[in-house]
Amino acid sequence: DIVMTQSPDSLAVSLGERATINCKSSQSLLYSSNHKSYLAWYQQKPGQPPKLLIYWASTRESGVPDRFSGSGSGTDFTLTISSLQAEDVAVYYCQQYYTTPRTFGQGTTVEI
Amino acid sequence: QVQLQESGPGLVKPSETLSLTCTASGVLISNYYWSWIRQPPGKGLEWIGYIYYSGNTNYNPSLKSRVTISVDTSKNQVSLKLNSVTAADTAVYYCAREYSGFHFDYWGQGTLVTVSS
Repeated sequence: DIVMTQSPDSLAVSLGERATINCKSSQSLLYSSNHKSYLAWYQQKPGQPPKLLIYWASTRESGVPDRFSGSGSGTDFTLTISSLQAEDVAVYYCQQYYTTPRTFGQGTTVEI
Repeated sequence: QVQLQESGPGLVKPSETLSLTCTASGVLISNYYWSWIRQPPGKGLEWIGYIYYSGNTNYNPSLKSRVTISVDTSKNQVSLKLNSVTAADTAVYYCAREYSGFHFDYWGQGTLVTVSS
């Protein structure tokens, strides 16, 4: 199985400041034929299902605010919230869909 | 809009079979992959497996011996069966659409299943 490791496990950021979450995979998620990294980011608020934010490592899902951005390729990825808002308090997960079984990171809790 | 609704018993006895159904509205089951994902209380996400509308399945090896996922296109439903459950199977169970076999773009609200006598 591909192991997904996020860091940090939690972080506290002031309103309006930048939040950065890292995700590392145990093997490359870059598919050579299309040069795409098979990685997604999700946001989960309490009592709610996860919500897709980013796919193909850097493509923002429709309707997701542009303060959310994804970067990285291969085995190292980053989710950045450029200016944290109160509604961004949540747990964030990375997930690989390069192969099965699909696997998720352990989650990163973002607080104010 | 696309909506997924999980349904089934909220309480299952140890050693019995957990059975859940996911009913899709606003989208046809056909032409998509459908996954089941679970989340124990206070913990992270675990992929259980997926089914393509044609019936092709892929299961997490950690659960493969106990899992069956099926599809009923006439009812626009996907089902999950997990047998020989233990307390470790207590979790919120989600169904989700796996867009073209890639990322999960639509999720149900989830249903909590507790395994207890």
